[in-house]
Amino acid sequence: DAGVTQSPTHLIKTRGQQVTLRCSPKSGHDTVSWYQQALGQGPQFIFQYYEEEERQRGNFPDRFSGHQFPNYSSELNVNALLLGDSALYLCASSLRDSYNQPQHFGDGTRLSIL
Amino acid sequence: DAKTTQPNSMESNEEEPVHLPCNHSTISGTDYIHWYRQLPSQGPEYVIHGLTSNVNNRMASLAIAEDRKSSTLILHRATLRDAAVYYCIPTPPTEIQGGSEKLVFGKGTKLTVNP
Repeated sequence: DAGVTQSPTHLIKTRGQQVTLRCSPKSGHDTVSWYQQALGQGPQFIFQYYEEEERQRGNFPDRFSGHQFPNYSSELNVNALLLGDSALYLCASSLRDSYNQPQHFGDGTRLSIL
Repeated sequence: DAKTTQPNSMESNEEEPVHLPCNHSTISGTDYIHWYRQLPSQGPEYVIHGLTSNVNNRMASLAIAEDRKSSTLILHRATLRDAAVYYCIPTPPTEIQGGSEKLVFGKGTKLTVNP
């Protein structure tokens, strides 16, 4: 039973570029959340997708956008990259209306901005 | 979101018990208390959660104070594999239609386990 998979594992971009990160949820899960983790900090919630719609959003600018596909996989897009966007980007999956059920995380994509 | 206070770091010896404290004095009556941990170079993983009474699973035990303003994660016999950052996360019920609750992480406690 495959867990949450993210690609790529590492990525290097320059300021001003755009990036797309991908996430496949754990089998049987239909909700995907994205988090940003800066070095030495805890993960910060970006947004959550369920039924192909953004359902919740954290305090992140519109440069951060996402998409969920019919097969529940998801993409995170970041436009006009800034140096401060350098971080580990984590994807978590869960089952809808699964209050208090564990969320399953991937091992993340390490994004470096030069 | 309830604020949490955890020690920045703790140290333990292998095969000894470890008690990881968390203060969450602003927790609401409906918030569950979740614990996740993050091993080096990995994403967070669920450890345990509870509401009012103490909870046990194969990984750990969770002791919740009677006033719910604090909780303690107990690892009964620490192993080297338990070296990780441990996060205590009070989680309110989701207010949206469908989906799941968002997790609000603090800085957590970095646990070092000595051989």
